[in-house]
Amino acid sequence: EVQLLESGGGLVQPGGSLRLSCRASGFTFHNYVLSWVRQAPGKGLEWVSDLRDSFYTTYSANYAASVKGRFSISRDNSKSTLYLQMDSLKVEDTAVYFCARRDGYNDGQKTVLYLDSWGQGTLVTVSS
Amino acid sequence: SFVLTQPPSVSVAPGQTATIPCSEPSIGDKSVHWYQQKPGQAPVLVIYDDGDRPSGIPERFSGSNSGNTATLTISRVEAGDEADYYCQVWDGIDHCVFGTGTKVTVL
Repeated sequence: EVQLLESGGGLVQPGGSLRLSCRASGFTFHNYVLSWVRQAPGKGLEWVSDLRDSFYTTYSANYAASVKGRFSISRDNSKSTLYLQMDSLKVEDTAVYFCARRDGYNDGQKTVLYLDSWGQGTLVTVSS
Repeated sequence: SFVLTQPPSVSVAPGQTATIPCSEPSIGDKSVHWYQQKPGQAPVLVIYDDGDRPSGIPERFSGSNSGNTATLTISRVEAGDEADYYCQVWDGIDHCVFGTGTKVTVL
């Protein structure tokens, strides 16, 4: 059974930093792209970032425009863990942060990508 | 970037059919996925690649995609289907885009 368990959320002041972790189990970790998705209180889902395995040396990390330059995604395949380093945090970064596994395929005509498994999320609150 | 537009809410009586549209001018050219999210829970994939169902998802859930609208259809709606539903596509392979979300209320 695929399991994703986030941790590291909490209360932080504007301008502060926080590092989230996502521990994975039940699948071959290095074979998959992992993503971070967030949801502000009472709002919809917003994709934040994703990261391919370190085997891919180009275009390995992608970020939403709202976090680019402030957030950094990384992974430790030996620990089956994904990370999100969040710096220069803003009040508008307050949200539940979910980690999700990306799966998909290429059928020769198109590439199909989707998020097939999700963790339960960790709450980040940015407030003074 | 582009915006996937969904109605904020849809109401349906038990046993009836709920249809949830997701609109974008070129969405018919993309692979669309749908997620169900119940209060306080993580999203769950219910439809991938326009109309395929992951294992464990009831046949009552179906999807279609053509032109400028993708649609999630829930047949024979049950009280347990009450949730928020989000469509999603990938912009190339680099950026994931979610729809604005639709709250389905079972009357």
